[in-house]
Amino acid sequence: GAVVSQHPSWVICKSGTSVKIECRSLDFQATTMFWYRQFPKQSLMLMATSNEGSKATYEQGVEKDKFLINHASLTLSTLTVTSAHPEDSSFYICSARRPGTGTDTQYFGPGTRLTVL
Amino acid sequence: TQLLEQSPQFLSIQEGENLTVYCNSSSVFSSLQWYRQEPGEGPVLLVTVVTGGEVKKLKRLTFQFGDARKDSSLHITAAQPGDTGLYLCAGGGWTASKLTFGTGTRLQVTL
Repeated sequence: GAVVSQHPSWVICKSGTSVKIECRSLDFQATTMFWYRQFPKQSLMLMATSNEGSKATYEQGVEKDKFLINHASLTLSTLTVTSAHPEDSSFYICSARRPGTGTDTQYFGPGTRLTVL
Repeated sequence: TQLLEQSPQFLSIQEGENLTVYCNSSSVFSSLQWYRQEPGEGPVLLVTVVTGGEVKKLKRLTFQFGDARKDSSLHITAAQPGDTGLYLCAGGGWTASKLTFGTGTRLQVTL
């Protein structure tokens, strides 16, 4: 299998605080992980590509100072939403690309619902 | 910018009916994935197709990758309530490992 976990599954925080979301590949090593954001009834929007041991690559329009990504090991990437505001409330999903598959197939975590009050 | 348009956006059918979801683009992709997502959960991979013209069958689901690698379709035979969900196609790039996601098709199957 290819199992990806996320923690926490949901979080409620006050405006101005920071929130960290963890993404782990449980049964494979992932040199590349991805962070997405999804608004209700919409498709996934790629925020950034997280590469183990190097800086993340952010998509156009995504503030790298607001959404801090760290990929410290081959099985863990973290997304920190800094100084969160209500407009940051969303469903955040990570995925991991399994090496050696020869395709761009990604395996997704269960998502984290962030609500900023 | 690569875009993947899915149609229809929303489909409500009764159990036992057949349906087809389309995924179209003007761009050529190295591979095409289909995912299904249920509310409050992450997308679950259904299939990956990598060869133009490829057809894959998984029980009641048939996936096709267009000859030109620009489009794909998902056909469901005898839909069941358990098929309800958001169906997403995603195209793989040639130089980067990131995926381009389609606009999504929300399927509702009722008894």
